[in-house]
Amino acid sequence: QKEVEQDPGPLSVPEGAIVSLNCTYSNSAFQYFMWYRQYSRKGPELLMYTYSSGNKEDGRFTAQVDKSSKYISLFIRDSQPSDSATYLCAMGQTGANNLFFGTGTRLTVIP
Amino acid sequence: EAGVAQSPRYKIIEKRQSVAFWCNPISGHATLYWYQQILGQGPKLLIQFQNNGVVDDSQLPKDRFSAERLKGVDSTLKIQPAKLEDSAVYLCASSPGGHREQFFGPGTRLTVL
Repeated sequence: QKEVEQDPGPLSVPEGAIVSLNCTYSNSAFQYFMWYRQYSRKGPELLMYTYSSGNKEDGRFTAQVDKSSKYISLFIRDSQPSDSATYLCAMGQTGANNLFFGTGTRLTVIP
Repeated sequence: EAGVAQSPRYKIIEKRQSVAFWCNPISGHATLYWYQQILGQGPKLLIQFQNNGVVDDSQLPKDRFSAERLKGVDSTLKIQPAKLEDSAVYLCASSPGGHREQFFGPGTRLTVL
């Protein structure tokens, strides 16, 4: 079983739609959860960072962590064509060096 | 603030040749990471430096891969000899400390023929 599972998509939505991206994980020791956005031929860019369970909102983006279910989500409201990219979840544990990434979900927002 | 710089951006070599990648992290960032991202997969950590010391190289194929970080700033990653399965994007990242909030460079896309 992989440490982090993420549906690779692809996912296509019309402009203005609400997008839901998800990851599940198996290691209950994970405490830090991140979402990165990666445009084609670019490096990943940190979007959201959360610690432990709960929600975090930043503009049109909301990150949710449910540690009891080992499930994290990223919601994008009022999606824009500029949101078209691959979204990677990543997570790690306190005191450890490694970040574990999902495979990424490729999102296309159609104008 | 300047971001993480990497060069070259693209490299094509034949199998059994050697290749080197260069990374300049964000100024003041003590921690530097090299990741390998194979097409359709998430980044996989190869090696982590704290200043000029290695913190984690458990997933680095040491028979062919080597990395160094001179003076705790720039870093080079070398592959010798390259194999077909080394075709990937090699990402460099840096952070002020620990593994939170890593900032990535644009990557070097390696094709091994």
